Amino acid sequence: DAGVIQSPRHEVTEMGQEVTLRCKPISGHNSLFWYRQTMMRGLELLIYFNNNVPIDDSGMPEDRFSAKMPNASFSTLKIQPSEPRDSAVYFCASSLSILTSTDTQYFGPGTRLTVL
Amino acid sequence: AQSVTQLDSQVPVFEEAPVELRCNYSSSVSVYLFWYVQYPNQGLQLLLKYLSGSTLVKGINGFEAEFNKSQTSFHLRKPSVHISDTAEYFCAVSDLVQGAQKLVFGQGTRLTINP
Repeated sequence: DAGVIQSPRHEVTEMGQEVTLRCKPISGHNSLFWYRQTMMRGLELLIYFNNNVPIDDSGMPEDRFSAKMPNASFSTLKIQPSEPRDSAVYFCASSLSILTSTDTQYFGPGTRLTVL
Repeated sequence: AQSVTQLDSQVPVFEEAPVELRCNYSSSVSVYLFWYVQYPNQGLQLLLKYLSGSTLVKGINGFEAEFNKSQTSFHLRKPSVHISDTAEYFCAVSDLVQGAQKLVFGQGTRLTINP
């Protein structure tokens, strides 16, 4: 089992550029989560999907951030335009279903984003 | 709204010594509680979780945690640590009102094991 796959692992970009982070959840998992980790704010839930549908995006910081899940095996988190304060580690996680409290979230290795 | 406070940002201990990482939560409803571990340059891995039932929960790698509703705590313990336990540990809370898997994390505790 490959686990949750994220790409790229590292991204360095300049302010104003568009950034796209990618995630492949564990096969058979129906729920997908995007988190951001910073020193100042810790680990924050940005958005989560169930069966490819966004359920709660209340954690998305502003309109510059958008996330999509076009199919069960792929999701993207896009930042346009990027700003230095977006520098963070972005994690993707998946679980069998958000409807089952006993399910475990499995995290990917993260993408370290640096915006210059 | 829920919140989680991890009382220690860093905990240094010697190898084979016992350790306790403290976690307090705030919520007005019944909660689910979790401990995750993050090794350097890796994602988070679930150590253990409390959903209901016995207040003493055993997890992987010899860790255990005790849910104390009256003190709103969920402290993590290990009787004898190993160098390989060096990592960052996160306590998290969720509930059925907000969403059983809508996790709110604490700031983390960095556990350093010295030989």
